Amino acid sequence: EAQVTQNPRYLITVTGKKLTVTCSQNMNHEYMSWYRQDPGLGLRQIYYSMNVEVTDKGDVPEGYKVSRKEKRNFPLILESPSPNQTSLYFCASSLSIVSNQPQHFGDGTRLSIL
Amino acid sequence: SQKIEQNSEALNIQEGKTATLTCNYTNYSPAYLQWYRQDPGRGPVFLLLIRENEKEKRKERLKVTFDTTLKQSLFHITASQPADSATYLCALDRGFQKLVFGTGTRLLVSP
Repeated sequence: EAQVTQNPRYLITVTGKKLTVTCSQNMNHEYMSWYRQDPGLGLRQIYYSMNVEVTDKGDVPEGYKVSRKEKRNFPLILESPSPNQTSLYFCASSLSIVSNQPQHFGDGTRLSIL
Repeated sequence: SQKIEQNSEALNIQEGKTATLTCNYTNYSPAYLQWYRQDPGRGPVFLLLIRENEKEKRKERLKVTFDTTLKQSLFHITASQPADSATYLCALDRGFQKLVFGTGTRLLVSP
């Protein structure tokens, strides 16, 4: 089954403790992206990757890092999490950067930073 | 600044009626607009994409219109069913898959 898989689905942690949220897709998609979703603000793009070893900042990149060493994986790293990063995070992938392609989303990771 | 507006109030309709959701935008000239459905606890699921040179797009009971003069897209669900209850998101493509999403409109279809 074609899917985008995120782990963990839920995480409660404390300020400053490094964490990684994994994202994997099995569709051989070139494009991958991370979003955060907050009430009243909608989905906002954090980082995206057009292909292996090619990443760029989205609209809200501060406090986050990403890497794309393999085509299928696109982990999101919070080196020193802070409470304002408490949010619902989604990973998405698309066949390519061509604009007429839909994005496929994972089921989200709910992060709580205390 | 760029802005996308969807009605933040929930839309309540009766089963069998047509639901119409609105997406307005300012300071954009998008070539593409997409609509997604999001259920509680799940990620958005793609529904329809419409290009700027297409006035209307249909898929089964769904219809999307795109008026670049009014800077507005309308999303219609005909013969609505309780299973259509969800939050619907519109997204504008700034190019190269850089989507900007609205905050979504929650649709509730009563039996």
